[in-house]
Amino acid sequence: QVQLQESGPGLVKPSETLSLTCSVSGGSISSYYWSWIRQPPGKGLEWIGYVYYSGSTNYNPSLKSRVTLSVDTSKNHFSLRLSSVTAADTAVYYCARAGYDFYFDYWGQGTLVIVSS
Amino acid sequence: SYVLPQPPSVSVAPGQTARITCGGNNIGSEAVHWYQQKAGQAPALVVDDDGDRPSGIPERFSGSNSGNTATLTISRVEVGDEADYYCQLWDSSSDHWVFGGGTKLTVL
Repeated sequence: QVQLQESGPGLVKPSETLSLTCSVSGGSISSYYWSWIRQPPGKGLEWIGYVYYSGSTNYNPSLKSRVTLSVDTSKNHFSLRLSSVTAADTAVYYCARAGYDFYFDYWGQGTLVIVSS
Repeated sequence: SYVLPQPPSVSVAPGQTARITCGGNNIGSEAVHWYQQKAGQAPALVVDDDGDRPSGIPERFSGSNSGNTATLTISRVEVGDEADYYCQLWDSSSDHWVFGGGTKLTVL
């Protein structure tokens, strides 16, 4: 059974960089699209971007200037960096897997990141 | 890029049928998937664009998609179906994933 687990600081100061890692167990990181999705408190889901196992990426245009995704196949994990954060970036951040049918079949449990001084 | 409007809320009585819509220009030509998110949990796929359901999802959940509207239908609604539901598609022209705004299903 594939499992995804997010890890990283739960509190980030305004203007700093949010960094999260998603560890994948029970399966290989190869041949899938690995996405980050966030959900502000009480709001809907927002796709942030994906990193393919080969390292290629694509980002939500609304966040593109601040987002960097990367993958480490040797460690079976992938990462998110979001720079210049503000309170509007406070959200639960999920990592998720999609295959060539382009739906998310596995999700992490989510991690709450609060942006506050 | 796609915008996928969903009604903010739908209410039904137990045993009735709930229909949750997801709009979009010519969305019927796209593959639309549906997720259920219960309070405090991560979203989980309930129906994919082919109408397939993951293991453990009852046959009461079904999807359809035609014209400008995709629909998630939940038959014989149970109290345990109360959750937020999201539609999602992959926009091949931009290589982006898109979610609908979400619909809160209340079982009266």
